[in-house]
Amino acid sequence: NAGVTQTPKFQVLKTGQSMTLQCAQDMNHEYMSWYRQDPGMGLRLIHYSVGAGITDQGEVPNGYNVSRSTTEDFPLRLLSAAPSQTSVYFCASSYGTGTGGTEAFFGQGTRLTVV
Amino acid sequence: AQSVSQHNHHVILSEAASLELGCNYSYGGTVNLFWYVQYPGQHLQLLLKYFSGDPLVKGIKGFEAEFIKSKFSFNLRKPSVQWSDTAEYFCAVNPNNAGNMLTFGGGTRLMVKP
Repeated sequence: NAGVTQTPKFQVLKTGQSMTLQCAQDMNHEYMSWYRQDPGMGLRLIHYSVGAGITDQGEVPNGYNVSRSTTEDFPLRLLSAAPSQTSVYFCASSYGTGTGGTEAFFGQGTRLTVV
Repeated sequence: AQSVSQHNHHVILSEAASLELGCNYSYGGTVNLFWYVQYPGQHLQLLLKYFSGDPLVKGIKGFEAEFIKSKFSFNLRKPSVQWSDTAEYFCAVNPNNAGNMLTFGGGTRLMVKP
């Protein structure tokens, strides 16, 4: 049971390049989300999904796209990278709502640098 | 929109000292509350959580937290810290059982001196 797996772990992009951060979970969780972590700001929600085919915006969605074609996968796409997107990105999943359902499990993170 | 405030950004303690990290949130409804820990170079791991019932919750590694509804607070405590507790600690709130849409505080970086 691998939990939440993110790839790559490190990435350097040039301004304007595009890329996809991969996230996969093997726990059959309904809910998946992407956060970015910046010093002193904690984690901020970028996009989230409550199930396959359903996505919505979080607090800081600009510059990012997501899709959820399967329960397992939730990729995050940067269409045209900007230096302001330099950050550490975490994918998380949880199995649903209700008591005990909202504990989030996090991946190892992707450290992205845009130059 | 809800917000979460962690009052201390950096804390330095000696081993065996007691720890209390403050966390306050601004949301009037029912919330689930969490403390996560991030050891250097690692991902976030759950320390403890509060959903309902006894407001004093115990987590892993000797940590505990107390939910005080009237103060909108969920402070983290440990009676005696160890060098291995050096990490960054995040308080998070999940309102209305809304999936895993967590709102995080800014984090507290704890350094424990041996």
